[in-house]
Amino acid sequence: DAGITQSPRHKVTETGTPVTLRCHQTENHRYMYWYRQDPGHGLRLIHYSYGVKDTDKGEVSDGYSVSRSKTEDFLLTLESATSSQTSVYFCAISETSGGQETQYFGPGTRLLVL
Amino acid sequence: GEDVEQSLFLSVREGDSSVINCTYTDSSSTYLYWYKQEPGAGLQLLTYIFSNMDMKQDQRLTVLLNKKDKHLSLRIADTQTGDSAIYFCAESILFSGGYNKLIFGAGTRLAVHP
Repeated sequence: DAGITQSPRHKVTETGTPVTLRCHQTENHRYMYWYRQDPGHGLRLIHYSYGVKDTDKGEVSDGYSVSRSKTEDFLLTLESATSSQTSVYFCAISETSGGQETQYFGPGTRLLVL
Repeated sequence: GEDVEQSLFLSVREGDSSVINCTYTDSSSTYLYWYKQEPGAGLQLLTYIFSNMDMKQDQRLTVLLNKKDKHLSLRIADTQTGDSAIYFCAESILFSGGYNKLIFGAGTRLAVHP
């Protein structure tokens, strides 16, 4: 599992409330990613990070912000949750070996916005 | 544009071979991946193939790549009930900023029946 944990694993919240999801890795990987998974869409990239304090937007970044103050933690924040953000959120790291880069995923956080 | 397409469902009998197909659009893909997702779990890397290869075999898994047609397939020999899962095809594209962007298909749900 490449030493990736996510917390919480499940969360129910109300529309308009802020929510922060945490991704923690123990193997000093430089690149970290946040995806959301929705039926019929596969996984879509929200934001990614290429180092401490270095982040950039993915394809579905509206309504989300991220922070990376330490190598091991990548936080995803929904400033004001909406029902359209009900989804399963996956964190990933990438590992390079022999010139080939592979992404490994955490167990996911299931978020329900009522 | 970037797009990865897969059929949504496949049903096979235990012991038969399963073939899951995928098409992609970006000819600059460097690697193509197959991930497996079991219910309630994250994505598990199954196998990958470099874009200059035609075939890769790994135990019961065979990956075939037709670069001309941009077609990727995953064959699972002697399919077992434990192979029931959602299988995601993904292509890797080198993105500005130096990271590899993964584009996922929507996933193929494989159901194995006795």
